[in-house]
Amino acid sequence: EPEVTQTPSHQVTQMGQEVILRCVPISNHLYFYWYRQILGQKVEFLVSFYNNEISEKSEIFDDQFSVERPDGSNFTLKIRSTKLEDSAMYFCASSDWGSNQPQHFGDGTRLSIL
Amino acid sequence: QQQVKQSPQSLIVQKGGISIINCAYENTAFDYFPWYQQFPGKGPALLIAIRPDVSEKKEGRFTISFNKSAKQFSLHIMDSQPGDSATYFCATYFRETSGSRLTFGEGTQLTVNP
Repeated sequence: EPEVTQTPSHQVTQMGQEVILRCVPISNHLYFYWYRQILGQKVEFLVSFYNNEISEKSEIFDDQFSVERPDGSNFTLKIRSTKLEDSAMYFCASSDWGSNQPQHFGDGTRLSIL
Repeated sequence: QQQVKQSPQSLIVQKGGISIINCAYENTAFDYFPWYQQFPGKGPALLIAIRPDVSEKKEGRFTISFNKSAKQFSLHIMDSQPGDSATYFCATYFRETSGSRLTFGEGTQLTVNP
């Protein structure tokens, strides 16, 4: 069964540095998402992406964050000037076009900011 | 901010028992109510979902009950098994909007004792 893959599984970065989290969505999907889960808290929506542009973003997704689909298979989340509070699990998801299409999640990248 | 309230935070059930997890939502425009199951180290996986024009949906041992007037929905796991031990998240979604964000509840950590 096709799946969403994320790399790396764990990223450790010094505060103030930039990180790029990578995702390969399911190949025929058209919508891509990033979610965040701080330890012990709920999963929170960050951004959705369709047709090479952001379709929706949450209040969490400020100028520190950016997303890109650099080629036909990868979808990336860049976090500039990381802060301690950016430490979390970051999940990528994708879904097909149309209503009622489920979002399929990857297994996440654990980001630890030191 | 649209909220989804989930309870209980944790639940311990004996093997063969019934696990019940409840959620309440605020925004009556939501029209799709999925439940996600998450095992440690994995991303959320869609378990079962319901539309608001249906009061109950059953898939195997998993049943969603939906009360539109009360804006509440619940997950029932019949004949609970140790393999069901996981974190369960309810969520809401705008079904008719392609690429809509998922809004998650806080999660319930279910432990099924053998």
